[in-house]
Amino acid sequence: DAGITQSPRHKVTETGTPVTLRCHQTENHRYMYWYRQDPGHGLRLIHYSYGVKDTDKGEVSDGYSVSRSKTEDFLLTLESATSSQTSVYFCAISDGGVLVRGIDEQFFGPGTRLTVL
Amino acid sequence: GQQVMQIPQYQHVQEGEDFTTYCNSSTTLSNIQWYKQRPGGHPVFLIQLVKSGEVKKQKRLTFQFGEAKKNSSLHITATQTTDVGTYFCAGRSGGSYIPTFGRGTSLIVHP
Repeated sequence: DAGITQSPRHKVTETGTPVTLRCHQTENHRYMYWYRQDPGHGLRLIHYSYGVKDTDKGEVSDGYSVSRSKTEDFLLTLESATSSQTSVYFCAISDGGVLVRGIDEQFFGPGTRLTVL
Repeated sequence: GQQVMQIPQYQHVQEGEDFTTYCNSSTTLSNIQWYKQRPGGHPVFLIQLVKSGEVKKQKRLTFQFGEAKKNSSLHITATQTTDVGTYFCAGRSGGSYIPTFGRGTSLIVHP
């Protein structure tokens, strides 16, 4: 498995509290992504990064912010958690290898299960 | 925006039966990838298809990319309990490097 870790792996919090999830990679990959996974919805992109301090919104970005101050770390913040943000959050990385190797697979972290009460 | 529809959402099979999941895109794709997620695990990359009409095999798994590059399928021959999991397709279109994932098909294999 690619060197991707997520922390925490499990978290229970209360509505209205801020929450930060961390993704850490040791692969020096350029691209990093945050997804949420909910039953019946598959994987939905929240935000992604294409370099240090370069980020953009995905399809379900409302209520989330991200930061990437170092290549290896990509943080996802819920400023004020709501029950609708209860989900499993996956971080993924890719190296943009489509231009060189013709392929650009994503490597996923183990996930963080977040429960907002 | 680009949409990738995947069917069926669930599929129950008896061990030894075949299984197929289908993906359809609203736009022409530059490539399509397939991932497998075991229960409680994370998605793992299986394969990428790029060419129109491309067919690739991995043991009992056969992947196809449609001639119009708007649809794809994954077929598993003679399923085994180790095939249990959710299979996702992810398509890229145009110059975007951001893939759009289908909702996945969960395969349940009954021994």
